[in-house]
Parts: sequence; structure tokens; C-alpha cells
Amino acid sequence: DAKTTQPNSMESNEEEPVHLPCNHSTISGTDYIHWYRQLPSQGPEYVIHGLTSNVNNRMASLAIAEDRKSSTLILHRATLRDAAVYYCILAYPGGGADGLTFGKGTHLIIQP
Amino acid sequence: GAVVSQHPSRVICKSGTSVKIECRSLDFQATTMFWYRQFPKQSLMLMATSNEGSKATYEQGVEKDKFLINHASLTLSTLTVTSAHPEDSSFYICSASVGVWGTEAFFGQGTRLTVV
Repeated sequence: DAKTTQPNSMESNEEEPVHLPCNHSTISGTDYIHWYRQLPSQGPEYVIHGLTSNVNNRMASLAIAEDRKSSTLILHRATLRDAAVYYCILAYPGGGADGLTFGKGTHLIIQP
Repeated sequence: GAVVSQHPSRVICKSGTSVKIECRSLDFQATTMFWYRQFPKQSLMLMATSNEGSKATYEQGVEKDKFLINHASLTLSTLTVTSAHPEDSSFYICSASVGVWGTEAFFGQGTRLTVV
């Protein structure tokens, strides 16, 4: 699996937007970009995924660079419940055949 | 979305005993399930791929005789930690997708195993 690079931690204030970056310079043409998050003592939770175009869902937005070597997860209005470790993962198409390779992720801290 | 349920959520066992963890897909069939292990302050590590009706595939360094996996039906996979030792204490998590081409993995809530 191609490797992703994320900052170890980020801090933001409640009700403000949060931009979580991910670098994946060795991404292959068939890799989808996935984001999962893990709250303390829970299993990971799917957030969003995309291939080439920017994506929006009720949880977040995913902005993908034109060359696909980086992406940004956008939480439009962070709440305390968004405090979690966010993982950026490359997989084809969703890891249903081979599982997912988790990096260290970004620990998002939300200040009230 | 689809739901994956794990049981128990927490278990404490004595060293040398065996512990079974169940992973169920509640509203979909899963021919393939995955088992991960997560040590404190570390990321998830894939342990094995559980295939319905056939033998599991283990990642390098994972002892297949210690971590027994059974996937007897399309909705149930079990992980048995045999002869558990304190170093096996960890957070065990299962996942499944709706078909191998599913674009989203669904994770169980995890099982915290403590071996004393």
C-alpha cells in the first residue's frame, strides 16, 4: 500500500473549520483516498473517500489536489465530539479484499 | 450504514487461558472480515484476513496457532486468543466491507483484552 504522511497532532477551536492535510506522493492511479476517524476506546469510523474530484458529505469535505499527491479533510464547524485520531488511507477501492493499512494519523484536539 | 458488532467489549482473563472474541455483521453478509490489533498510543495493525469457509490469512509475524480465526458463516467471524499472556493485552478490532469492492469498511466497537 502507498504511504501517507500526516501531522502528528493539530489543535482547533470549537465551531471553527478544521483542515487536516495528508500527503501521498506515491499514490497510484487506482488508489482511492479514504479518511477514517477513531474516537477514544472505539473502533474506527468511516468519514469520507474520493478518487479525483472533491467530495462532500454530511460529516466533512474532501479536497483532492489536481495531481492527487495530497488531500485535505475539511471539518466545516468542529465540535468537541470531533476530537479523535484521523487517518488518511489509500486503498483500492475500499480495502474490502486486502484490509486497510493505518498510519499514525493526526490527533485532533478541539478546544472549547 | 452497515453495522458490525463485536462481543465482548471488554474482557479480563488469567494468563494461560483462552479468550474468544466474536465479530458479527448485523445487516449484511461478509465473505471477508479483518482482524486488527491496537496497542496503547499506537495505530491499528492488520493481523489477519478471515475468509468464510476457508482458512484465514495471517500477516507476517502473527502466530496462527495463537490467534485462531474461524469464519463459519457469512455473518460471524471469531478470534480466539489461545494461552493468553500479558503481552497479548491489547485492543482487538474487526471490520468488514459490503463485498470486496465496497468502498467503505465498517468496524466493530473493539474488544479490550487484559491478561493478568
